[in-house]
Amino acid sequence: GDSVTQMEGPVTLSEEAFLTINCTYTATGYPSLFWYVQYPGEGLQLLLKATKADDKGSNKGFEATYRKETTSFHLEKGSVQVSDSAVYFCALLEPGGFKTIFGAGTRLFVKA
Amino acid sequence: SQTIHQWPATLVQPVGSPLSLECTVEGTSNPNLYWYRQAAGRGLQLLFYSVGIGQISSEVPQNLSASRPQDRQFILSSKKLLLSDSGFYLCAWGAGTGRAKQYFGPGTRLTVT
Repeated sequence: GDSVTQMEGPVTLSEEAFLTINCTYTATGYPSLFWYVQYPGEGLQLLLKATKADDKGSNKGFEATYRKETTSFHLEKGSVQVSDSAVYFCALLEPGGFKTIFGAGTRLFVKA
Repeated sequence: SQTIHQWPATLVQPVGSPLSLECTVEGTSNPNLYWYRQAAGRGLQLLFYSVGIGQISSEVPQNLSASRPQDRQFILSSKKLLLSDSGFYLCAWGAGTGRAKQYFGPGTRLTVT
């Protein structure tokens, strides 16, 4: 079945460092891809999405590009802030379906 | 605007007791509804989803069940809780197929003692 694999955490960075959280997926067809974020004490919220190959989703300085050839959707940010500390989930929506499959989540700690 | 409610926010229950968690959605009709569990230190696991009243799909075998008695109401239940049922339960809704994103409720933290 479809699946999402993301790098294990926690990831600890200093403020203004460059962030990459890897995400790869297995799916038939062309799923939509998402990054969700869960800030401490809060629920999940959508961070960005991409719906077709080579699309780039972006929001709040975060970016991710839908790479069909490598089945990847890595999350990047050029300069992280303490307020970016959260758990980040990569997810895919099965093509033509209703189910969203989530990765295990990656916890990010950003130190001042 | 659409809103999703979950209650209770926190719950402590003894092993073997029943469970009922409720989720309601406002501001949309005929949504797809989802129950997820987020266990401590682990990812998000899809438990059930529903595409309409009375239509429930189960993703994992377990002692939990779900029901959808009304279009915008989704209930997660158990007759007898296990210790392993502890976790953070999230309800979500999504509209239609294809590219729709999901909107998550605030969650219920369940501790089984």
